[in-house]
Amino acid sequence: DAKTTQPPSMDCAEGRAANLPCNHSTISGNEYVYWYRQIHSQGPQYIIHGLKNNETNEMASLIITEDRKSSTLILPHATLRDTAVYYCIVRVAGGNKLVFGAGTILRVKS
Amino acid sequence: GAVVSQHPSWVICKSGTSVKIECRSLDFQATTMFWYRQFPKQSLMLMATSNEGSKATYEQGVEKDKFLINHASLTLSTLTVTSAHPEDSSFYICSARGEINQPQHFGDGTRLSIL
Repeated sequence: DAKTTQPPSMDCAEGRAANLPCNHSTISGNEYVYWYRQIHSQGPQYIIHGLKNNETNEMASLIITEDRKSSTLILPHATLRDTAVYYCIVRVAGGNKLVFGAGTILRVKS
Repeated sequence: GAVVSQHPSWVICKSGTSVKIECRSLDFQATTMFWYRQFPKQSLMLMATSNEGSKATYEQGVEKDKFLINHASLTLSTLTVTSAHPEDSSFYICSARGEINQPQHFGDGTRLSIL
Protein backbone atom coordinates (compact mmCIF):
# COMPACT_ATOMS: atom_id res chain seq x y z
CA ASP A 1 0.00 0.00 0.00
CA ALA A 2 1.16 3.53 -0.77
CA LYS A 3 3.01 5.47 1.89
CA THR A 4 1.50 8.67 3.22
CA THR A 5 3.17 11.78 4.61
CA GLN A 6 1.50 14.01 7.18
CA PRO A 7 2.77 16.94 9.25
CA PRO A 8 3.59 15.80 12.79
CA SER A 9 1.38 18.37 14.47
CA MET A 10 -1.02 21.26 13.87
CA ASP A 11 -2.88 23.75 15.99
CA CYS A 12 -6.36 25.07 15.30
CA ALA A 13 -8.52 27.63 17.05
CA GLU A 14 -11.82 26.40 18.42
CA GLY A 15 -14.67 27.12 16.02
CA ARG A 16 -12.41 27.48 13.01
CA ALA A 17 -11.97 24.96 10.22
CA ALA A 18 -9.15 22.47 10.66
CA ASN A 19 -7.49 21.48 7.40
CA LEU A 20 -5.26 18.44 7.69
CA PRO A 21 -3.09 17.66 4.66
CA CYS A 22 -1.82 14.29 3.49
CA ASN A 23 0.55 13.46 0.67
CA HIS A 24 0.27 10.09 -1.07
CA SER A 25 2.23 10.69 -4.25
CA THR A 26 2.66 6.98 -5.06
CA ILE A 27 -1.01 6.11 -4.76
CA SER A 28 -2.35 3.63 -7.28
CA GLY A 29 -5.58 3.93 -9.21
CA ASN A 30 -7.39 1.35 -7.10
CA GLU A 31 -6.29 2.64 -3.70
CA TYR A 32 -8.71 4.43 -1.41
CA VAL A 33 -7.77 7.20 1.02
CA TYR A 34 -9.02 6.60 4.58
CA TRP A 35 -8.97 8.94 7.53
CA TYR A 36 -9.13 7.82 11.15
CA ARG A 37 -8.51 9.65 14.38
CA GLN A 38 -7.44 8.44 17.79
CA ILE A 39 -8.31 10.30 20.93
CA HIS A 40 -5.99 9.57 23.82
CA SER A 41 -6.36 6.06 25.27
CA GLN A 42 -9.14 5.07 22.87
CA GLY A 43 -9.33 2.99 19.73
CA PRO A 44 -9.20 4.75 16.36
CA GLN A 45 -12.43 6.23 15.06
CA TYR A 46 -13.33 6.03 11.38
CA ILE A 47 -13.93 9.46 9.86
CA ILE A 48 -14.25 9.24 6.09
CA HIS A 49 -12.82 7.63 2.98
CA GLY A 50 -12.78 8.27 -0.75
CA LEU A 51 -11.34 7.13 -4.06
CA LYS A 52 -11.24 10.18 -6.32
CA ASN A 53 -14.33 12.28 -5.73
CA ASN A 54 -14.62 14.65 -2.82
CA GLU A 55 -16.65 13.22 0.03
CA THR A 56 -18.61 14.75 2.90
CA ASN A 57 -20.32 13.24 5.90
CA GLU A 58 -21.53 14.46 9.27
CA MET A 59 -18.02 14.54 10.65
CA ALA A 60 -15.82 15.95 7.92
CA SER A 61 -15.10 16.60 4.28
CA LEU A 62 -12.40 14.92 2.23
CA ILE A 63 -10.90 16.81 -0.68
CA ILE A 64 -8.76 14.73 -3.05
CA THR A 65 -6.69 16.48 -5.71
CA GLU A 66 -7.33 15.66 -9.32
CA ASP A 67 -4.04 13.76 -9.66
CA ARG A 68 -4.88 11.96 -6.39
CA LYS A 69 -1.41 12.58 -5.01
CA SER A 70 -2.66 14.46 -2.00
CA SER A 71 -5.79 15.03 0.04
CA THR A 72 -7.08 17.27 2.79
CA LEU A 73 -9.38 16.39 5.64
CA ILE A 74 -11.53 19.31 6.70
CA LEU A 75 -13.24 19.58 10.06
CA PRO A 76 -15.49 22.56 9.39
CA HIS A 77 -15.90 23.83 12.96
CA ALA A 78 -13.28 22.32 15.23
CA THR A 79 -14.09 21.82 18.89
CA LEU A 80 -11.86 20.95 21.82
CA ARG A 81 -13.08 17.35 21.54
CA ASP A 82 -11.52 17.13 18.07
CA THR A 83 -8.07 17.17 19.66
CA ALA A 84 -6.61 13.83 18.57
CA VAL A 85 -4.08 12.10 16.35
CA TYR A 86 -5.36 12.00 12.78
CA TYR A 87 -4.21 9.21 10.48
CA CYS A 88 -4.33 9.29 6.69
CA ILE A 89 -4.08 5.79 5.22
CA VAL A 90 -4.27 4.48 1.69
CA ARG A 91 -5.51 0.99 1.09
CA VAL A 92 -6.06 -0.98 -2.04
CA ALA A 93 -9.64 -1.84 -2.90
CA GLY A 94 -10.36 -5.26 -1.49
CA GLY A 95 -7.19 -5.19 0.56
CA ASN A 96 -7.05 -6.00 4.23
CA LYS A 97 -4.37 -4.04 5.90
CA LEU A 98 -4.58 -0.56 7.30
CA VAL A 99 -0.99 0.53 7.85
CA PHE A 100 -0.88 3.31 10.39
CA GLY A 101 1.86 5.92 10.15
CA ALA A 102 2.70 8.50 12.78
CA GLY A 103 -0.30 10.71 11.94
CA THR A 104 -0.86 14.38 12.74
CA ILE A 105 -1.46 15.53 16.29
CA LEU A 106 -4.22 18.14 16.03
CA ARG A 107 -4.54 20.44 19.02
CA VAL A 108 -7.70 22.53 19.11
CA LYS A 109 -7.27 25.50 21.40
CA SER A 110 -9.82 27.83 22.94
CA GLY B 1 -22.78 3.72 13.14
CA ALA B 2 -20.98 0.43 13.38
CA VAL B 3 -20.07 -0.56 16.92
CA VAL B 4 -17.24 -2.79 18.05
CA SER B 5 -17.06 -3.76 21.69
CA GLN B 6 -13.86 -4.90 23.33
CA HIS B 7 -13.58 -6.48 26.77
CA PRO B 8 -11.98 -6.08 29.21
CA SER B 9 -10.92 -2.46 28.91
CA TRP B 10 -8.00 -3.00 31.22
CA VAL B 11 -6.37 -5.91 32.99
CA ILE B 12 -3.50 -6.31 35.41
CA CYS B 13 -2.09 -9.74 36.04
CA LYS B 14 0.98 -11.59 37.18
CA SER B 15 3.73 -12.74 34.91
CA GLY B 16 3.12 -16.22 33.52
CA THR B 17 -0.65 -16.05 33.38
CA SER B 18 -2.72 -16.09 30.21
CA VAL B 19 -5.12 -13.31 29.35
CA LYS B 20 -8.07 -13.47 26.98
CA ILE B 21 -9.44 -10.37 25.24
CA GLU B 22 -12.79 -10.42 23.45
CA CYS B 23 -13.83 -8.37 20.46
CA ARG B 24 -17.45 -8.24 19.34
CA SER B 25 -19.18 -6.55 16.45
CA LEU B 26 -22.51 -5.48 17.90
CA ASP B 27 -24.54 -4.40 14.89
CA PHE B 28 -22.95 -6.02 11.87
CA GLN B 29 -21.43 -9.30 10.82
CA ALA B 30 -17.65 -9.09 10.77
CA THR B 31 -16.20 -11.32 8.10
CA THR B 32 -12.74 -10.09 9.00
CA MET B 33 -11.30 -8.98 12.31
CA PHE B 34 -7.92 -7.47 13.06
CA TRP B 35 -5.75 -7.26 16.14
CA TYR B 36 -3.35 -4.39 16.73
CA ARG B 37 -0.89 -3.49 19.44
CA GLN B 38 0.17 0.00 20.41
CA PHE B 39 3.07 0.90 22.68
CA PRO B 40 3.19 4.31 24.39
CA LYS B 41 3.75 7.22 22.00
CA GLN B 42 3.82 4.89 19.02
CA SER B 43 1.39 4.14 16.24
CA LEU B 44 -0.76 1.05 15.91
CA MET B 45 0.98 -2.07 14.67
CA LEU B 46 -1.06 -4.81 13.03
CA MET B 47 -0.52 -8.17 14.71
CA ALA B 48 -2.86 -10.47 12.82
CA THR B 49 -5.86 -10.72 10.54
CA SER B 50 -8.55 -13.31 11.04
CA ASN B 51 -11.43 -14.42 8.89
CA GLU B 52 -14.39 -16.20 10.42
CA GLY B 53 -13.88 -19.94 10.50
CA SER B 54 -10.27 -19.96 9.33
CA LYS B 55 -6.83 -19.60 10.87
CA ALA B 56 -5.46 -16.15 11.53
CA THR B 57 -2.72 -14.65 9.39
CA TYR B 58 0.04 -13.22 11.56
CA GLU B 59 2.32 -10.34 10.68
CA GLN B 60 6.04 -10.93 10.52
CA GLY B 61 7.60 -11.07 13.96
CA VAL B 62 4.36 -11.89 15.80
CA GLU B 63 4.47 -15.28 17.52
CA LYS B 64 1.34 -17.23 16.70
CA ASP B 65 1.83 -19.57 19.66
CA LYS B 66 2.09 -16.59 21.98
CA PHE B 67 -0.91 -14.70 20.67
CA LEU B 68 -3.73 -17.15 20.02
CA ILE B 69 -6.58 -15.83 17.91
CA ASN B 70 -9.97 -17.45 17.55
CA HIS B 71 -12.66 -16.11 15.23
CA ALA B 72 -15.36 -18.70 15.65
CA SER B 73 -18.36 -16.57 14.71
CA LEU B 74 -19.20 -13.55 12.60
CA THR B 75 -19.49 -11.38 15.68
CA LEU B 76 -16.74 -12.58 18.00
CA SER B 77 -12.98 -12.85 17.91
CA THR B 78 -10.72 -13.50 20.87
CA LEU B 79 -7.03 -12.85 21.44
CA THR B 80 -5.30 -14.88 24.15
CA VAL B 81 -1.90 -13.73 25.33
CA THR B 82 -0.35 -16.91 26.65
CA SER B 83 2.17 -16.95 29.49
CA ALA B 84 2.27 -13.18 29.51
CA HIS B 85 5.41 -11.34 30.59
CA PRO B 86 6.05 -7.67 31.37
CA GLU B 87 7.22 -7.00 27.81
CA ASP B 88 3.73 -8.00 26.61
CA SER B 89 2.27 -5.02 28.47
CA SER B 90 0.66 -2.85 25.84
CA PHE B 91 -2.58 -1.42 24.48
CA TYR B 92 -4.32 -4.10 22.40
CA ILE B 93 -6.97 -2.95 19.95
CA CYS B 94 -9.27 -4.96 17.72
CA SER B 95 -11.12 -3.89 14.64
CA ALA B 96 -13.81 -5.48 12.52
CA ARG B 97 -15.01 -5.13 8.99
CA GLY B 98 -18.10 -6.34 7.19
CA GLU B 99 -18.06 -6.26 3.40
CA ILE B 100 -14.63 -6.13 1.83
CA ASN B 101 -14.62 -2.46 0.83
CA GLN B 102 -16.27 -1.22 3.99
CA PRO B 103 -14.12 0.63 6.54
CA GLN B 104 -12.74 -1.08 9.62
CA HIS B 105 -14.32 -0.09 12.91
CA PHE B 106 -12.28 -0.26 16.08
CA GLY B 107 -12.93 -1.25 19.65
CA ASP B 108 -11.85 0.97 22.51
CA GLY B 109 -8.82 -1.16 23.29
CA THR B 110 -7.57 -3.21 26.22
CA ARG B 111 -4.77 -1.92 28.36
CA LEU B 112 -2.76 -4.93 29.53
CA SER B 113 -0.28 -4.61 32.37
CA ILE B 114 1.81 -7.60 33.37
CA LEU B 115 3.54 -7.36 36.72
